[in-house]
Amino acid sequence: EVILTQSPATLSLSPGERATLSCRASQTVVSYLAWYQQKPGQAPRLLIYDASNRATGIPARFSGSGSGTDFTLTISSLEPEDFAVYYCQQRYNWPPITFGQGTRLEIK
Amino acid sequence: QVQLVESGGGVVQPGGSLRLSCAASGFTFNTFVLHWVRQAPGKGLEWVAYIKSDGSGAFYTDSVKGRFTISRDNSRNTLYLQMNSLRAEDTALYYCAKVVFQWQDGAFDIWGQGTMVTVSS
Repeated sequence: EVILTQSPATLSLSPGERATLSCRASQTVVSYLAWYQQKPGQAPRLLIYDASNRATGIPARFSGSGSGTDFTLTISSLEPEDFAVYYCQQRYNWPPITFGQGTRLEIK
Repeated sequence: QVQLVESGGGVVQPGGSLRLSCAASGFTFNTFVLHWVRQAPGKGLEWVAYIKSDGSGAFYTDSVKGRFTISRDNSRNTLYLQMNSLRAEDTALYYCAKVVFQWQDGAFDIWGQGTMVTVSS
């Protein structure tokens, strides 16, 4: 099973700042990594698939990078609506499909 | 618009059964693989099961193998999850999820609103 480790667990930033979230895989997932945003009481929302492709309707301030075992989600300038929990997910070596434990992005 | 709507959740005693349904609309149902993903209260996301577009194959996470069965009715645009021998640790919000592309197996672009399953005596 591929273990995904996200860091930091919690990130405290202010609107307008740049956010950098990390996801590290226990073995290569090539580029088959996705990122999701989840707000309280809502289903997850796909942001990025295959490491760097923005999903439909996702603002350009969200970008993904990385390959192999190290991946990054960057939010270039935080908007108030971006404060949420973010998950990474791999679909290279499965079953099982696995998710990271999440990074909580909170307002400083 | 593309939509998934789950139903069938509820409170059940340990050892009991439930069948979840996921009604789909707005896309060509029989050309996409589908998944169930769950989220225990206050916890992260956990993948549960997958089914091929024609229903001919399925995969499960280890903790539900032999207890849960995923199926689909392409004539009714509906996905199912039959859950037997339920345990307290199965308590979660269960989501059905669609993948981004027909040729792809597992990045989820559309999620339902979830249906809550509570296993408790």
